[in-house]
Amino acid sequence: KNQVEQSPQSLIILEGKNCTLQCNYTVSPFSNLRWYKQDTGRGPVSLTIMTFSENTKSNGRYTATLDADTKQSSLHITASQLSDSASYICVVSVGNYGGSQGNLIFGKGTKLSVKP
Amino acid sequence: DVKVTQSSRYLVKRTGEKVFLECVQDMDHENMFWYRQDPGLGLRLIYFSYDVKMKEKGDIPEGYSVSREKKERFSLILESASTNQTSMYLCASSPRLAGYNEQFFGPGTRLTVL
Repeated sequence: KNQVEQSPQSLIILEGKNCTLQCNYTVSPFSNLRWYKQDTGRGPVSLTIMTFSENTKSNGRYTATLDADTKQSSLHITASQLSDSASYICVVSVGNYGGSQGNLIFGKGTKLSVKP
Repeated sequence: DVKVTQSSRYLVKRTGEKVFLECVQDMDHENMFWYRQDPGLGLRLIYFSYDVKMKEKGDIPEGYSVSREKKERFSLILESASTNQTSMYLCASSPRLAGYNEQFFGPGTRLTVL
């Protein structure tokens, strides 16, 4: 069964600290993996996307890694800011449907709170 | 700039009412989606559409229907709202391209059914 598991469920850190969020998946065939940031009461916004051949991708203070062998991804946030408080959702795309899109597997998300 | 808009941010309806949630995208995307998001369950796909007048069931279509008469507009319909349909509803769109399949989300509609 295709699944995406994220950990931890929630995390509280102090402003300025670093943190790492985890995503493990059992999806086959794998197409790509994306991390979304979702502010409270808003829709998700894409942070990074990685295909099978990419093992790291950065977007400012956000760095995502992908290990396709172990089927694990992580999202590292450097020098956290209060505005990083949000839910972070890992999404894995199944195969390549050429555009037909009923093939995304969503993790349940990690809720990050950054405290001053 | 990419934009997906939803007709309401907050909506309160009574059990048994017919509810329409509207979504409009201005990116000329072929694909459009409706999700619901509940605490502890994440996003779940209700319906999607890959072309005008085309629709496909997602994981949880029961109690919902959709309409796509124009490319830019995708409507979610609750024929007879029930309390278990209280949720955050998110619309998304994406281009029909192989590969990255990025979806762009709207701001969401928080629906409460009393």
